[in-house]
Amino acid sequence: DAGVIQSPRHEVTEMGQEVTLRCKPISGHNSLFWYRQTMMRGLELLIYFNNNVPIDDSGMPEDRFSAKMPNASFSTLKIQPSEPRDSAVYFCASRIEVFLASETEAFFGQGTRLTVV
Amino acid sequence: GDSVTQMEGPVTLSEEAFLTINCTYTATGYPSLFWYVQYPGEGLQLLLKATKADDKGSNKGFEATYRKETTSFHLEKGSVQVSDSAVYFCALKGRASGSRLTFGEGTQLTVNP
Repeated sequence: DAGVIQSPRHEVTEMGQEVTLRCKPISGHNSLFWYRQTMMRGLELLIYFNNNVPIDDSGMPEDRFSAKMPNASFSTLKIQPSEPRDSAVYFCASRIEVFLASETEAFFGQGTRLTVV
Repeated sequence: GDSVTQMEGPVTLSEEAFLTINCTYTATGYPSLFWYVQYPGEGLQLLLKATKADDKGSNKGFEATYRKETTSFHLEKGSVQVSDSAVYFCALKGRASGSRLTFGEGTQLTVNP
């Protein structure tokens, strides 16, 4: 398996533009996570899905951020409109979650480095 | 709520030195504990884990022991290499938090030859 695939790897956009980040989880994984990493705040969980359903979106900073998972093999994180303070590395991760099973590893993509100017 | 506190970095060591990165946590009940490593330009990778008190996780020469009495999960390696240079994250998953992982701030390690 190729692992978690994120695109694009780098994105530079102007303030006010819409940005869409994409993620393809590992096949067979039923949980998907979006994280944001900045120097100031470290790693923050934005949202996670289980079986394509958003379970916890309390980390989504504001209404400008939205995430979807239309099927088990694809998710998007959208920022509209983007602002300079959204500049960060955005990671997608996936894992298999099995009820009452022992802990399974979360696999991370290589991230999308977003710069909003 | 759940939280993880790591020792502040950056940490700079010479090759073959002993490494300790401290990690303490706050959580309800008995969380699972993890160390993740992030090499430059890459995503996070699981380094080791422990799921119950007194468990020792180990991988690639790194070790960490789940200490419930001190709520700690310190990462150690007896002899670091230049290739260990990376950012190390301590994390926990609480029993009541579903799949949510709570991460520490990360500790940058640089190993010089």
